[in-house]
Amino acid sequence: GAVVSQHPSWVICKSGTSVKIECRSLDFQATTMFWYRQFPKQSLMLMATSNEGSKATYEQGVEKDKFLINHASLTLSTLTVTSAHPEDSSFYICSASRRGDEQFFGPGTRLTVL
Amino acid sequence: QKEVEQDPGPLSVPEGAIVSLNCTYSNSAFQYFMWYRQYSRKGPELLMYTYSSGNKEDGRFTAQVDKSSKYISLFIRDSQPSDSATYLCAMSATGNKLVFGAGTILRVKS
Repeated sequence: GAVVSQHPSWVICKSGTSVKIECRSLDFQATTMFWYRQFPKQSLMLMATSNEGSKATYEQGVEKDKFLINHASLTLSTLTVTSAHPEDSSFYICSASRRGDEQFFGPGTRLTVL
Repeated sequence: QKEVEQDPGPLSVPEGAIVSLNCTYSNSAFQYFMWYRQYSRKGPELLMYTYSSGNKEDGRFTAQVDKSSKYISLFIRDSQPSDSATYLCAMSATGNKLVFGAGTILRVKS
């Protein structure tokens, strides 16, 4: 149990385009979902926290207009990177929590912006 | 000073060795402590989850939390080459927002 999937696992896009990443909890309902970014050989940095049906809470320094988060249901959250630039290239990982305690992580999405 | 300090390694051990991984932290409000294993280009996998102080054992893994010293440890017994990965400690005051250590790269040589 507690499986989280992400789609796509890998995406390459041109600078200036937008990319949508999906995060799904497959066998449980997630009250809260989290989005992280991880640069090579660095740890995970929390970008934002989202609760189903509510606006996401963004961490300091994360542009909410650039990283749009939608948490439309208890099993799906999406992250849209708008007008992507090469510096947005990173590994984006989501996690989901059932009761606001343990977080279960997805496999990650590698974004490369050319 | 970072909230969570973790030696990035790499830590290289022979197969069968006991591995000790550690993190220190500065925020006394942390109550939830976790260890994750992350293989290259994969998402983190939860290994151990503990609340407050004490020990917890699961198979070859033992997690220890010493809140008085603000120090947590993960021990891996009978280490295997398949244990080679990056180990991340994470902690939280509320059980919600996690703060991660930098991760320790572990290499188990056969």
